[in-house]
Amino acid sequence: EVQLLESGGALVQPGGSLRVSCAASGFTFGADGMSWVRQAPGKGLEWVSGIGGSGARTFYADSVKGRFTISRDNSKNTLYLQMNRLRPEDTALYYCAKGGTGYSSPFEYWGHGTRVTVSS
Amino acid sequence: SYELTQALSVSVSPGETASITCSGDKLDDKYTFWYVQKPGQSPMVVIYEDSKRPSGIPERFSGDNSGNTATLTIRGTQTTDEGDYYCHVWDSDTVIFGGGTKLTVL
Repeated sequence: EVQLLESGGALVQPGGSLRVSCAASGFTFGADGMSWVRQAPGKGLEWVSGIGGSGARTFYADSVKGRFTISRDNSKNTLYLQMNRLRPEDTALYYCAKGGTGYSSPFEYWGHGTRVTVSS
Repeated sequence: SYELTQALSVSVSPGETASITCSGDKLDDKYTFWYVQKPGQSPMVVIYEDSKRPSGIPERFSGDNSGNTATLTIRGTQTTDEGDYYCHVWDSDTVIFGGGTKLTVL
């Protein structure tokens, strides 16, 4: 059974930094691309970032480019999102998802999300 | 940048057919994916690559993509199908989501 368990969400001041993680199990982690998708309170889905299976290719939404960094540790089956220079508009539930890194790649599985709140 | 447009809401009676559309420029040049998010839950894929159903998704869910419009069709709609439906495509190394359509079954 595929499981994705996010952690690390917190209340952070504007301009601060935070790293969220996603522990994966139930599939060959290094064989699949992974993504982060967020959802602000009462809003729709917004793609944040994706990474290929080896970690060599990364993709970012314009809204986070230069501030967020996606990475993965295939030896630990863990996906990360380092978020710097956080803004109030980054407040959202951050989902980890399997896939979403190509033209024929659906978001096959989703975690339950970790909440990030950016406020003073 | 590429944009996907969805109606804010669709309402049907139980047993009827619901059609949820997603529009974008030359959309049929891309694969469209559909997700449902039920209240308090994470999203779940219901259609991938325009018209394929993942295992466990009922046959009454179907998809089509032609011209500038992709359509998710739900036949014999049930109250359990209520939720927010999102389309997604891959464009220029980025993921684009539609704004979402709230399906109400009453």
